This record gives sequence, structure tokens and C-alpha cells, in this order.
Amino acid sequence: DGGITQSPKYLFRKEGQNVTLSCEQNLNHDAMYWYRQDPGQGLRLIYYSQIVNDFQKGDIAEGYSVSREKKESFPLTVTSAQKNPTAFYLCASSAPRQSMAGELFFGEGSRLTVL
Amino acid sequence: AQSVAQPEDQVNVAEGNPLTVKCTYSVSGNPYLFWYVQYPNRGLQFLLKYITGDNLVKGSYGFEAEFNKSQTSFHLKKPSALVSDSALYFCAVTLPWGATNKLIFGTGTLLAVQP
Repeated sequence: DGGITQSPKYLFRKEGQNVTLSCEQNLNHDAMYWYRQDPGQGLRLIYYSQIVNDFQKGDIAEGYSVSREKKESFPLTVTSAQKNPTAFYLCASSAPRQSMAGELFFGEGSRLTVL
Repeated sequence: AQSVAQPEDQVNVAEGNPLTVKCTYSVSGNPYLFWYVQYPNRGLQFLLKYITGDNLVKGSYGFEAEFNKSQTSFHLKKPSALVSDSALYFCAVTLPWGATNKLIFGTGTLLAVQP
């Protein structure tokens, strides 16, 4: 079955450590996204990529980094510079067809807790 | 700047009664509008969208939404609520796809359906 796989589902990190969250899709989608979800704040866009080897900052990119070396993969690194990294992170992708404009497919999420 | 507002943090409704989850938006031009649903500790699922045409759009699980341009609203509705509809609902907006290819989400409304 096609879909988006995020790993790990739960992750604990000590302060000062970088962590990388994995996002893989087999939907053959060009565009991929990372959102952060906090209670009462909804979803905020961290980074997005519309094509391989290209990505753009979203609204809250500080303290995060991404790469897009393959169409299927869009890993997110939460660096030690991110002041409040504890959150639920969601990866999504979208098809290029205009008929499916805006229909994002989401992974199950990764919950990061900084100890 | 684009924005979307969900004025109610929580909506309570009895099973079998009609439900409405409110959404208003602020965007220049002709927006694309969306509703997504999230079950606990899961990713978001697309429910329905409005791009153009009939102001009443129908989506998954018996949900529908009405686009009202004069009131800049896109309220989610269902004639008869089920306990299984209990979840977190997000409204989202974007400019016509291709301009930015990214969604702006509201803060979410928790729908609680009592048996």
C-alpha cells in the first residue's frame, strides 16, 4: 500500500543533542512538507520541498534543517539551536496534479520529547 | 497575509444531532479551502475542499461544508453526528495551488460527540 512512513514514532532527546526524524513516501509525490503541532497552536510549517534538491523555509524554520536528495525521502533534523523542540512532528506529501491541489497525505507523526 | 480562524476550541454535541464546526478565513484573491480531521496520536486526513463552483461541498464520512464568500466562512457540517466523529478538526486555506503549494492551518476544534 502506498503511504508515508515516519520514524521513530516516539523519541526522547537530551538537551544539546541533534536528532533526525525520518519521512519516506512511496506515493511518487513531488512535494513534501514538515509541520510541527503544539496544543492550541494547530500546525505550523517548518520546511517544504516541491522538487528533489530544492526546499524552502516555512514559518518556523529556525533550529531545523532538511535535505531532499531523493524524491522518496525528506528527513528533518532538529538541532540543538531549536529552543523548544518538544512537539508532535508531521510529515506530508502532495501530488502534482491540479485536481488534487491541497490534498495533503500525512504520516502518523513523530513525538519528540526533550528531557 | 493569509490566515484562518477557528473560533471554538471545542464543540460538544449529542449523537444524532446536527453539528457545525466554524471556520473563517482571511486571504486576498480566491482561496482554496479545506477541512482535515485528526484522531488521537495520528496524522491528519483530508475530508473535503472548496476550489470553485457550488458553495456546498460534500466530503468523506457524510461531512459537508458551505463556502460563504461574503462572510469569508467555510463551516463544516454534518446532519447527524456519530460518537466516532469525535476528533480534532482543522480548517486550512491556501492561495490557488501553484502559487505557493502550501496550506495554512487553523488552530483546530475538538469535536466531542456524546452518546
